[in-house]
Amino acid sequence: KAGVTQTPRYLIKTRGQQVTLSCSPISGHRSVSWYQQTPGQGLQFLFEYFSETQRNKGNFPGRFSGRQFSNSRSEMNVSTLELGDSALYLCASIGTRGTGELFFGEGSRLTVL
Amino acid sequence: GENVEQHPSTLSVQEGDSAVIKCTYSDSASNYFPWYKQELGKRPQLIIDIRSNVGEKKDQRIAVTLNKTAKHFSLHITETQPEDSAVYFCAATDTGFQKLVFGTGTRLLVSP
Repeated sequence: KAGVTQTPRYLIKTRGQQVTLSCSPISGHRSVSWYQQTPGQGLQFLFEYFSETQRNKGNFPGRFSGRQFSNSRSEMNVSTLELGDSALYLCASIGTRGTGELFFGEGSRLTVL
Repeated sequence: GENVEQHPSTLSVQEGDSAVIKCTYSDSASNYFPWYKQELGKRPQLIIDIRSNVGEKKDQRIAVTLNKTAKHFSLHITETQPEDSAVYFCAATDTGFQKLVFGTGTRLLVSP
């Protein structure tokens, strides 16, 4: 069974640009969560989607947005990039058995110059 | 909302020693407490979790304890090995495991 796939793995942007990151969950998983990982802050919750609906949202500005498609693939977008947005963005999918385990992708490392 | 504090931020032990990482949470409604291990350059992976109706859970060399009254939980690793070297994150949630609040992580270094 393929794991969670995130693309791109690495990207470099400049301030003011926007970026779109993609996440394909494990087949059959319908819930996708996004986390931002930075060295001092650990993992911070961005948002969670289930069946194309955002069910939960973290405390990030409106520049951070996301969506989920009918095939459960999810994208997140960051507009008007700031230097502080440099981070590893992780997505995770959750199975339907309700065990609670998050299956993380390898992440997309964003560097904002 | 929930807030999770994790200590220590770094921990160095000798191979064979025990390691203990502690977390406190703020919301008494939290009911699920997982621990994730992230090796260098890799994705976080669940190593053990505990729910609020259980005080302790053990899996081979790893155990987690939960004190709901004091609102803290701990990860215990016995007989540490070099491959235990990683960053460990605790987490808590009161709104479902789709939205975890993580601690800031503990970097564990096990020296041979």
